[in-house]
Formats: sequence, C-alpha cells, structure tokens
Amino acid sequence: QVQLKESGPGLVQPSQTLSLTCTVSGFSLTSYNVHWVRQPPGKGLEWMGRMRYNGDTSYNSALKSRLSISRDTSKNQVFLKMNSLQTDDTGTYYCTRDRDGGSDYWGQGVMVTVSS
Amino acid sequence: DIVMTQGVLPNPVPSGESASITCRSSKSLVYKDGKTYLNWFLQRPGQSPQLLTYWMSTRASGVSDRFSGSGSGTYFTLKISRVRAEDAGVYYCQQVREYPLTFGSGTKLEIK
Repeated sequence: QVQLKESGPGLVQPSQTLSLTCTVSGFSLTSYNVHWVRQPPGKGLEWMGRMRYNGDTSYNSALKSRLSISRDTSKNQVFLKMNSLQTDDTGTYYCTRDRDGGSDYWGQGVMVTVSS
Repeated sequence: DIVMTQGVLPNPVPSGESASITCRSSKSLVYKDGKTYLNWFLQRPGQSPQLLTYWMSTRASGVSDRFSGSGSGTYFTLKISRVRAEDAGVYYCQQVREYPLTFGSGTKLEIK
C-alpha cells in the first residue's frame, strides 16, 4: 500500500529555516520521483521541487535560492529545507509520488505557520 | 517558465448536467515522444488533491469515466459528464512538459 506522510514543525519563526520530512512506504525512492507542493491558506497549488529516482533534483525558479531537497533511501525519506522563511511561506506542504509525470499519491499535508 | 491559465465556470452547475473546465499553456506541452504532458487534479474541500488524468487524456486508476481530458498542444479541456455532488471542489491543471513544473490557478466547481 503506497503511503506518504509529511512531518515537521507546525510553527516557524520568520527568517528561520523550515525542515520537513516525507516518509514513504509501499514503493522505492530509487524507482519513483517524489515532489513537494505547497498551498497557502485559501489559495492554489505551487510546485516546489522534485527528487528524481536517481537522486537528481529540480526546483521552482522562484524558490531555488532558498530551497534544498535531499533524501535517505535507507530510511525511505525525502527532506525539504527552505531558509529565510517569511509569512507568505505559511501554508500546507505536501509530498507526492510521481507516476508517468502525474502525482498519483499525495500525503495528507502538513500545515506550517510562519509567525513570531 | 510555462504559464498555465484556467477558465472560470458559471457556477453552480445543476446535478446531472455536464461541465467543461478549460486550461491554456503558454507553450506547447507536446513532447518529442508524441505525448502531451498535461495533468488534471481535483481538490475536494479539506482534502489533498487527487490525480484525475495524465498525458492529457489518460484517466488515473480508479477515476470515473465521467471525467475525460482532451485538447491540443496549448489548449485543454476537462469534461465532467453528469456531475454529482462529489465532484464539487477546485480543479487544477498542471504542465509536466518541462521543469519547473507549473499549475494553473484553479477552477472552482459548485453543484446545485
């Protein structure tokens, strides 16, 4: 059974670094891509970046300077780190599995609030 | 970056009627393999998005055949036949033709 679960702090101070973990089960990180997508409250979806099955990464142009995605295949985990957080980084962060370019499985999402 | 522009629906749509959601891309989404790299998602209130179609017109596993995707290289339509209450939510198109991937701004569907 394919599952993805995001975890991380619910509250981050402005200017600090966000660290999120996506723990997957039911598939191998060396066979599928994993993406991060976020959604500000009441707004649309924003693609953030991708960890490819072979370890390559791609990032949203607007976030590239602040964002880093990595993984630990032995723990079935993909990590997101984003620095210099501001209030407009508040939202729900999702990790997804990619099949043929389509995100066929999504985690439940983790809400992150940036506030002092 | 490829810009995705979605249309607006004349809400609400009566139950049992059809609804068509449009999406336009700023660049052709047809790749050299002949496939069109356009996805459609539905996000119901309070839920994670759900993949409906990929490669423009291929339905994802378990998706009703009431959902059908079509289009050209830059203009796309998701048609929902015989809409039901469970179809309510926000629909997003997404291009996966090239990185960075981009989503449309979403189209809200309300059912009467």
